Amino acid sequence: GENVEQHPSTLSVQEGDSAVIKCTYSDSASNYFPWYKQELGKGPQLIIDIRSNVGEKKDQRIAVTLNKTAKHFSLHITETQPEDSAVYFCAASKGTYKYIFGTGTRLKVLA
Amino acid sequence: NAGVTQTPKFQVLKTGQSMTLQCAQDMNHNSMYWYRQDPGMGLRLIYYSASEGTTDKGEVPNGYNVSRLNKREFSLRLESAAPSQTSVYFCASTSSSDEQYFGPGTRLTVT
Repeated sequence: GENVEQHPSTLSVQEGDSAVIKCTYSDSASNYFPWYKQELGKGPQLIIDIRSNVGEKKDQRIAVTLNKTAKHFSLHITETQPEDSAVYFCAASKGTYKYIFGTGTRLKVLA
Repeated sequence: NAGVTQTPKFQVLKTGQSMTLQCAQDMNHNSMYWYRQDPGMGLRLIYYSASEGTTDKGEVPNGYNVSRLNKREFSLRLESAAPSQTSVYFCASTSSSDEQYFGPGTRLTVT
């Protein structure tokens, strides 16, 4: 069935370093790839997304890249700060009201 | 503009009891969703409603029912709670450009 694999499950980086989280999807018809940040005790919050007709998208310190051939996409956070510490989820959708989520990455930014 | 709101925030039930989780959105979105989040398993779709008057099963619908009361409100009902339904429940709504917005969640414990 459709699934999204996300790696790593935990990631620790020093403040100021970059963090990269990777996801692989199985359904080649997927065309929308959002990333969410979830802080403790809160709901997931959309932070950036990319569509299948775009290879890269950037918003200040965060960027997402998409490789349709390999069916994987990645979240890049540069110049990490303590407030970036959270759980990050990727997802894939093909516009049929169904979003398949990865299992999450717990990012810890060490001061 | 409150976004997506959910009540209650916390609930403890005994096995066999029933309850309804409430969700409302003020963004005029057509699509609404109920997910459950369990440790290490990401977000799993319980039910969704593509538009007012329609509902469809997701990945894990057993033991749940939903009602799309109007365009704003989408409720989730547990008729006879079981310990396996202990989880954090999130409601979400989706914009016409696929952006999904989540509520703050309901933490449910069934003893």
